[in-house]
Amino acid sequence: ILNVEQSPQSLHVQEGDSTNFTCSFPSSNFYALHWYRWETAKSPEALFVMTLNGDEKKKGRISATLNTKEGYSYLYIKGSQPEDSATYLCALADEGNQFYFGTGTSLTVIP
Amino acid sequence: DSGVTQTPKHLITATGQRVTLRCSPRSGDLSVYWYQQSLDQGLQFLIQYYNGEERAKGNILERFSAQQFPDLHSELNLSSLELGDSALYFCASSVGLAGEYEQYFGPGTRLTVT
Repeated sequence: ILNVEQSPQSLHVQEGDSTNFTCSFPSSNFYALHWYRWETAKSPEALFVMTLNGDEKKKGRISATLNTKEGYSYLYIKGSQPEDSATYLCALADEGNQFYFGTGTSLTVIP
Repeated sequence: DSGVTQTPKHLITATGQRVTLRCSPRSGDLSVYWYQQSLDQGLQFLIQYYNGEERAKGNILERFSAQQFPDLHSELNLSSLELGDSALYFCASSVGLAGEYEQYFGPGTRLTVT
């Protein structure tokens, strides 16, 4: 079983602050890295899928980077808004199509 | 709305029983994934089907089985249920086979075993 780690476990920021979280994974097993946004009482919503070392993806105020050689990905949120409050999950896909999820970073944006 | 549907939404059953959870993927998606989220654990990958065939197997117990039908809907069968099987079960679908395709999650089925 692979270990996908996310940090921090939780984060409280003020509205308007920018923030970032980390997802670490064993680089030797990498095939793809998924980021999800998961609001309470809903289901995970796909944000990004990244496959290439050095990849950067952006969707509105949210962006992500990937370093497959050292085994980490960063998710950035610029100018956090209360509606960004959610748990952000990353998941590693290996070449055998196994998926390994981190335990998530819970973000609370205080108005 | 992701376009993935799961039924039932809630299920309460007793230990030792058997239940079937159903998932219909988004139109055009050929892959279906099943995941389990227990209270004390994160999301655990159970199994993947692609176009009717099993393609990847994760931490799925032998008491659990799944299949994908010709119309691409999938069912997850859980038998000899134990208290520890109480969890939220998600299915997700994607258009392709491999792990680089975006997955769309259904609303989940909450199973309570008493």
